[in-house]
Amino acid sequence: GAGVSQTPSNKVTEKGKYVELRCDPISGHTALYWYRQSLGQGPEFLIYFQGTGAADDSGLPNDRFFAVRPEGSVSTLKIQRTERGDSAVYLCASSPGAGLAGLETDTQYFGPGTRLTVL
Amino acid sequence: AQSVTQLDSHVSVSEGTPVLLRCNYSSSYSPSLFWYVQHPNKGLQLLLKYTSAATLVKGINGFEAEFKKSETSFHLTKPSAHMSDAAEYFCVVSDPWAGNNRKLIWGLGTSLAVNP
Repeated sequence: GAGVSQTPSNKVTEKGKYVELRCDPISGHTALYWYRQSLGQGPEFLIYFQGTGAADDSGLPNDRFFAVRPEGSVSTLKIQRTERGDSAVYLCASSPGAGLAGLETDTQYFGPGTRLTVL
Repeated sequence: AQSVTQLDSHVSVSEGTPVLLRCNYSSSYSPSLFWYVQHPNKGLQLLLKYTSAATLVKGINGFEAEFKKSETSFHLTKPSAHMSDAAEYFCVVSDPWAGNNRKLIWGLGTSLAVNP
């Protein structure tokens, strides 16, 4: 079946603008994750959804960042008043979400990412 | 607290020679460990995963990794490098006993170059 998809693949915006990044997870996956990857770095956790609710948003850097998943499938990451430091590749991943009651961590499957450039 | 250290930021090998990418981790209990690969302008792909079953884990494309609890290591190996193996490799740890927290903790990555 289809993997995780993300749109757009590239987004160029001006400082101060609002952007939305979309993630379409693998069908049936209940867990969804957003990460940010800067050049030469590993992915940095932003937020994790289990179903419709944000189970852990401790990685969101500040209140300009917000994410929703209203129907438990597609998710949108929203960034207000963008800054040049927000430039990065934003990665989305999904996982089946169950694991084995805490005995193992779900494998996360990643989308290709959205490259955000703030001028 | 969990952490991951990839001991080499860059590794260069000749085609046909063995590959060794080193990873040490710190975890409070029994971790899940992963290796992911990222080819240029491509998404992250899972190579292999350790979850407390066999300590020697076989992955895709001929890669394998051995979990050594006494050394807190999870090094990635391949007997013979191919040109197509050139990519960025990430070692990742997660503590599945951390309640609802499914965060993955990522190493900084090792860039593998394969020379003809």
